[in-house]
Amino acid sequence: SQTIHQWPATLVQPVGSPLSLECTVEGTSNPNLYWYRQAAGRGLQLLFYSVGIGQISSEVPQNLSASRPQDRQFILSSKKLLLSDSGFYLCAWTPIAGRAGELFFGEGSRLTVL
Amino acid sequence: QQQVKQSPQSLIVQKGGISIINCAYENTAFDYFPWYQQFPGKGPALLIAIRPDVSEKKEGRFTISFNKSAKQFSLHIMDSQPGDSATYFCAASIRAAGNKLTFGGGTRVLVKP
Repeated sequence: SQTIHQWPATLVQPVGSPLSLECTVEGTSNPNLYWYRQAAGRGLQLLFYSVGIGQISSEVPQNLSASRPQDRQFILSSKKLLLSDSGFYLCAWTPIAGRAGELFFGEGSRLTVL
Repeated sequence: QQQVKQSPQSLIVQKGGISIINCAYENTAFDYFPWYQQFPGKGPALLIAIRPDVSEKKEGRFTISFNKSAKQFSLHIMDSQPGDSATYFCAASIRAAGNKLTFGGGTRVLVKP
């Protein structure tokens, strides 16, 4: 069966520090991968998605970047965090031939920037 | 800009009652409308979904009603239970555009015993 892992689960970082959140998917090949951000009390905003190694599409201009160095690995990064980067970050995947709209989410990474 | 507007932001219902959450969308190109359920500290999970060629879909106690002309859809939770207490998100996507979901703002549902 397929599983998705995200880490770290919780992170407290000072303003201006770098960030690296990692996500891996097991049990499948060539998935579509996504990074979403959920601000407190708000909906989910799509940040990045990837259809293959090295292929990243950005949905919202921001202080963050994403990379996909391996087929089942997706990394969210920042060189210098802002207060506004605080939130709950969710990685998700879907098989290329999967049912439209059915994303499988990870457990999330809660980032607090102080 | 693609948007999905969800209401209410929060909802309190007694056990056994009906929870109703409404969503409205703008982009007529959307052709898939899923609902996700999220428990605190967890990632969302797909609950039920509908395509615009169907006006209603029921799965157990959960029903989606879809009004294409009004560009609205809603989730009804019948016989609500305390275990249904969660945040619910409606979403919309264009199937040919790679499963990129546009989410509503979420509704926090609390079912009181």
